[in-house]
Amino acid sequence: GVTQSPTHLIKTRGQQVTLRCSSQSGHNTVSWYQQALGQGPQFIFQYYREEENGRGNFPPRFSGLQFPNDSSELNVNALELDDSALYLCASSLSYSRTGSYEQYFGPGTRLTVT
Amino acid sequence: KNEVEQSPQNLTAQEGEFITINCSYSVGISALHWLQQHPGGGIVSLFMLSSGKKKHGRLIATINIQEKHSSLHITASHPRDSAVYICAALYSGAGSYQLTFGKGTKLSVIP
Repeated sequence: GVTQSPTHLIKTRGQQVTLRCSSQSGHNTVSWYQQALGQGPQFIFQYYREEENGRGNFPPRFSGLQFPNDSSELNVNALELDDSALYLCASSLSYSRTGSYEQYFGPGTRLTVT
Repeated sequence: KNEVEQSPQNLTAQEGEFITINCSYSVGISALHWLQQHPGGGIVSLFMLSSGKKKHGRLIATINIQEKHSSLHITASHPRDSAVYICAALYSGAGSYQLTFGKGTKLSVIP
C-alpha cells in the first residue's frame, strides 16, 4: 500500500517541513493533496516519472520531489498558520499504462503550525 | 471553474435504512471517484466510474453524464458505515489529471 511519514507533526510559523510518501510498488505517478479541517482535499500537484506534471492553486513555497525508488516528498517553506491540515499523497500508474485513473491514498500526515 | 457539490453535508440514519448521497459537478469529467474517509484521515477508494452503475456489496454508485450527477447508495446501512463520504471529479488534459473534491458527507448510522 501507500505509506506516509510522519503521522503527526507540529511546526512553528516560518519554519520549513518535509513530508514523505512511499508509493505502491511500481506506481509512476504521485499526487499530493491538502485537506483543511472540515473540508474536502485540494489538489496541490502531481509528479510523473520525477517531473511535476500538473499543479493546483498553491504558491511556489509548496514544492515536491519524486524519486525512482517509489518515494516522494512534499516540502513547504515559510510555514503559515493556514498550512495546518492533513496532507495526503496518492499513487497510481499512468493512464497510458492502465487505462485507469484509479489512485491509492496514503493515511496522511497531520501538520499543525503554531 | 471545476466545482463539485455534495449533499447532504451531514446525514444521520437508523441501522438498516437505505442511504443516498448526491454529487454534482460543473463541467465534463473523465471519471468520478467515490471515497470513504474514517476518523484519523485514511481515505479508501470505493468506486471509480465514468458511466452507468457499479455495485460492490451493499454499495451502489451511479452516474448520469448528461446531467453531471452521481449518487452513492448504501443499502441496509450499518453502524460500521459511519464515515465521511467524498466524491471527487477527475479532470484530465495535457498529459496530467487531477481530482477536484466535494466537501464530503458525514454519515452517522445509529444502532
